[in-house]
Amino acid sequence: AQKITQTQPGMFVQEKEAVTLDCTYDTSDQSYGLFWYKQPSSGEMIFLIYQGSYDEQNATEGRYSLNFQKARKSANLVISASQLGDSAMYFCASLAGGTSYGKLTFGQGTILTVHP
Amino acid sequence: DTGVSQNPRHKITKRGQNVTFRCDPISEHNRLYWYRQTLGQGPEFLTYFQNEAQLEKSRLLSDRFSAERPKGSFSTLEIQRTEQGDSAMYLCASSRSRQGYNSPLHFGNGTRLTVT
Repeated sequence: AQKITQTQPGMFVQEKEAVTLDCTYDTSDQSYGLFWYKQPSSGEMIFLIYQGSYDEQNATEGRYSLNFQKARKSANLVISASQLGDSAMYFCASLAGGTSYGKLTFGQGTILTVHP
Repeated sequence: DTGVSQNPRHKITKRGQNVTFRCDPISEHNRLYWYRQTLGQGPEFLTYFQNEAQLEKSRLLSDRFSAERPKGSFSTLEIQRTEQGDSAMYLCASSRSRQGYNSPLHFGNGTRLTVT
């Protein structure tokens, strides 16, 4: 079974600064995937970034990067140069190894507020 | 790519009534998923279709819930004899199957159900 823990219910950051959103996961699988999604107030879940358990390099997508520390089972999201539009709920999710389709396990989320 | 479309956006119903939601996935996506999200929580997996075949159902999906994807395109989720505990956001997602790659899920804006 997979479990995702996001310990920060809310985070605040000043515009243009970087912010790290924490995510730890619990799995006994050797092969798995980790995802981050953004959910603005409109409700849509927007895919941000993916990290595979065998990927040796940390994933990056524009201003998003994933700080993957396999031994610590953490997959923190780093947002650089925060923008006001980054204010939203952020979810970390995992996909179990051996699961060939998108049955994701989500954490409880972190609400990010970007201040001007 | 017009995105995943869900209708209606909001539904208010009285306890005991039946409701039906519709999801139109991204056209070239053969996989379709339903998730449920309650306030302050991450989405929870309900069910999954590959083309027209429903391949997995969560234990969260009671006998009152039924999902179909008759021609492998759009899907419907019906809840019979609604209960107040069914109040939630119902999210639909789709993805394309890719060999050896965890294709990210693309979510719709969701249908928010309120049972009074």
